[in-house]
Amino acid sequence: QKEVEQNSGPLSVPEGAIASLNCTYSDRGSQSFFWYRQYSGKSPELIMFIYSNGDKEDGRFTAQLNKASQYVSLLIRDSQPSDSATYLCAVKRVGSSASKIIFGSGTRLSIRP
Amino acid sequence: DAGVIQSPRHEVTEMGQEVTLRCKPISGHDYLFWYRQTMMRGLELLIYFNNNVPIDDSGMPEDRFSAKMPNASFSTLKIQPSEPRDSAVYFCASSSGDSPLHFGNGTRLTVT
Repeated sequence: QKEVEQNSGPLSVPEGAIASLNCTYSDRGSQSFFWYRQYSGKSPELIMFIYSNGDKEDGRFTAQLNKASQYVSLLIRDSQPSDSATYLCAVKRVGSSASKIIFGSGTRLSIRP
Repeated sequence: DAGVIQSPRHEVTEMGQEVTLRCKPISGHDYLFWYRQTMMRGLELLIYFNNNVPIDDSGMPEDRFSAKMPNASFSTLKIQPSEPRDSAVYFCASSSGDSPLHFGNGTRLTVT
């Protein structure tokens, strides 16, 4: 089992709709959770981070965390063609390597006009 | 803030040659990470440092790979000898405490 799992996609969503991206993780002690966006040929850039159970909203983006189910999601409202990219879920693990940050393989999102 | 700076941006080398990748983290950041990204394996953590000290190098593929951080503003990742399967994009990232990672632009390595 991978430490951080994501559906590789591609996920195709019509412009203006809600895109829902999901991520599960295996380490129950994980503390911090991040969503990064990566355009082709570019480096990952941070979209959102979440530490507590529940929802966190920032503009068109909402991150959702459920530690009991070991599940993190990212919702993108009013999807735009510029949202087409690969979305990476990242998890910070606790323990002796407290700052070890592990990434999922990413979900490719395509917004069709 | 200049961000994380990596060099070179592209590196093409022949199998068996030594390759050195360089990284300058954001000033004040005390964590530095080296990742490798390929289509097949995604973004893999190779090694990370805290206050210039290597904390976890369990992701380093084999003895051909080594990383150093001689001071707070500079780190290197060395591959010797290089092999075609080392071809990938290598990212350096830095952070401070609980802050998220900030990535450099990456080095695209091609080993022929």
